[in-house]
Amino acid sequence: DVKVTQSSRYLVKRTGEKVFLECVQDMDHENMFWYRQDPGLGLRLIYFSYDVKMKEKGDIPEGYSVSREKKERFSLILESASTNQTSMYLCASSASTGVGFTDTQYFGPGTRLTVL
Amino acid sequence: SQKIEQNSEALNIQEGKTATLTCNYTNYSPAYLQWYRQDPGRGPVFLLLIRENEKEKRKERLKVTFDTTLKQSLFHITASQPADSATYLCALVGWNRDDKIIFGKGTRLHILP
Repeated sequence: DVKVTQSSRYLVKRTGEKVFLECVQDMDHENMFWYRQDPGLGLRLIYFSYDVKMKEKGDIPEGYSVSREKKERFSLILESASTNQTSMYLCASSASTGVGFTDTQYFGPGTRLTVL
Repeated sequence: SQKIEQNSEALNIQEGKTATLTCNYTNYSPAYLQWYRQDPGRGPVFLLLIRENEKEKRKERLKVTFDTTLKQSLFHITASQPADSATYLCALVGWNRDDKIIFGKGTRLHILP
């Protein structure tokens, strides 16, 4: 079974702090994603990566950056946390097929981040 | 712009009955459509996938239909159980690498004992 793990289930940070969220997958997947999920807004894609050291902006990249130095690890960085970044953050991974991002996404358990 | 819609209101179904959830989309021609289940405080879990050239797919008590003319997918849970209570998300997947997967906001399903 594919396993996607995230570094923390719950995190509380203060405004202005730099926050690191880590995601690790164990299935040698090429693609990795970071989403945030808020009530009424659904899943929104922040960043994704289809290879080591590659990254692409999603729908809401502002205030975030990412790092993918190893294939199995994808980090989300909040450079200066703000209260509007309080949310559930979900990491996902998928294998590549000949049609791009078409394979099943495997999600981690999520990190509930609260910024005070 | 692309739009994917699921019934935002919760669906209450009596145990043992069939639950039917709807996913509609516009301005998109997906290669295929996926359904995920999400429990509170957890990440979504993949359930079923149906390709654009398939009409119906089954897996145990689950059945998915896909009508590309109506731009609609229906997700059925037969002989529903309280353990089926969760939020169900549909997702569209495009043909090209640049086509990012698009998730619906989900429908909350309650199976009443």
